Amino acid sequence: DIQMTQSPSSLSASVGDRVTITCRASQGIRNNLAWFQQKPGKAPKSLIYAASTLQTGVPSKFSGSGSGTDFTLTISSLQPEDFATYYCQHYNSFPLIFGGGTKVEIK
Amino acid sequence: EVQLVESGGGLVEPGGSLRLSCAASGFTVSDHYMDWVRQAPGKGLEWVGRTRSKAYSYTTEYAASVKGRFTISRDESKNSLYLQMDSLKTEDTAVYYCTRAPSGSYHFDYWGQGTLVTVSS
Repeated sequence: DIQMTQSPSSLSASVGDRVTITCRASQGIRNNLAWFQQKPGKAPKSLIYAASTLQTGVPSKFSGSGSGTDFTLTISSLQPEDFATYYCQHYNSFPLIFGGGTKVEIK
Repeated sequence: EVQLVESGGGLVEPGGSLRLSCAASGFTVSDHYMDWVRQAPGKGLEWVGRTRSKAYSYTTEYAASVKGRFTISRDESKNSLYLQMDSLKTEDTAVYYCTRAPSGSYHFDYWGQGTLVTVSS
């Protein structure tokens, strides 16, 4: 199975900060990577697929990059509504695997 | 508007069975790959299984942790997805979400709101 390692597991940031989350696959997954946002008590929301393509309606402050084994999610200017847990997921092969999550908290 | 609404969760004893439903609206389930994902209390997301579209004969894939115990199916007439869970274990306790992949794609775009399954004696 392909393992997905996210870092950091948590971070504290201020409104307006630029935030970067990384996700590493244990083997190459081309660009078959998605990012999700989850707020407490809510279902996850799809943000990005194919490593860098924004889902419809997702604001452009979110961006994704990478290919192969190393990927990043960047939030250009953190806003109060962005404080949440973020997960990466590969869909290159079965089983589909999620990263462990990154909790973005208010500093 | 695309909507996915799960139901059927509840309390069940270890070794018991439960069937979850996911009612879809705004699209036709037969045209899409559909998945189940779960989240144990306070934990991360875990993929449970996938059913491919009608064009691919609704074939299925499962996580090792549920293979042989869980079965994904669909009812075209009800535009719904199901997860039959048998031989339940305490570690199956989780919120279960159904998800949709866009037609012709493999990634998720829409998620349901989830339904809680508690396996306990």
